[in-house]
Amino acid sequence: DTGVSQDPRHKITKRGQNVTFRCDPISEHNRLYWYRQTLGQGPEFLTYFQNEAQLEKSRLLSDRFSAERPKGSFSTLEIQRTEQGDSAMYLCASSFGVEAFFGQGTRLTVV
Amino acid sequence: DAKTTQPNSMESNEEEPVHLPCNHSTISGTDYIHWYRQLPSQGPEYVIHGLTSNVNNRMASLAIAEDRKSSTLILHRATLRDAAVYYCILRDVAGGTSYGKLTFGQGTILTVHP
Repeated sequence: DTGVSQDPRHKITKRGQNVTFRCDPISEHNRLYWYRQTLGQGPEFLTYFQNEAQLEKSRLLSDRFSAERPKGSFSTLEIQRTEQGDSAMYLCASSFGVEAFFGQGTRLTVV
Repeated sequence: DAKTTQPNSMESNEEEPVHLPCNHSTISGTDYIHWYRQLPSQGPEYVIHGLTSNVNNRMASLAIAEDRKSSTLILHRATLRDAAVYYCILRDVAGGTSYGKLTFGQGTILTVHP
């Protein structure tokens, strides 16, 4: 297993377009997290899945954001009607025990 | 979530020990102390965690004050590859939120000089 995989690594989109990111966690990891990170800041929690159930969502996650984890495997994060303020690094992490393993992230630029 | 306070930045020379402090005066009895680090252009990676006793692993040591209101991450011999942002995070394991989300602060930027 090569770790948490995120796709794409980079995405440039025009304001108002929809974008979708994918995260493939480490096999058998039942917990999956999405974070957002802007320059110079620590990652901010967005949402958490245990298996296929979305158990927690941050207030940062407006109604333009939606995340899914069908069948408790990979996860997708969709942003509708993107805004310039959505430009950030979107990080996915998975865990089974104490340690969380992070992917390298998807860098979104909204122009 | 309980809050942690870390210096914005620290510097070290290669092959010298580094002590990264963290204050968490409002820590609760069920909070574990976790440390993650983030190398440039990478996602965060786990370093170490502990509850009350000092902990050692291949990457670092964690020294926890007796009252648990502060802790120190110790890198015994800094290398250039240790240059990163180091985050001290409290994680509640009470009830059904075991191994839940990590709440990151701004962390400490560690610069290692050759």
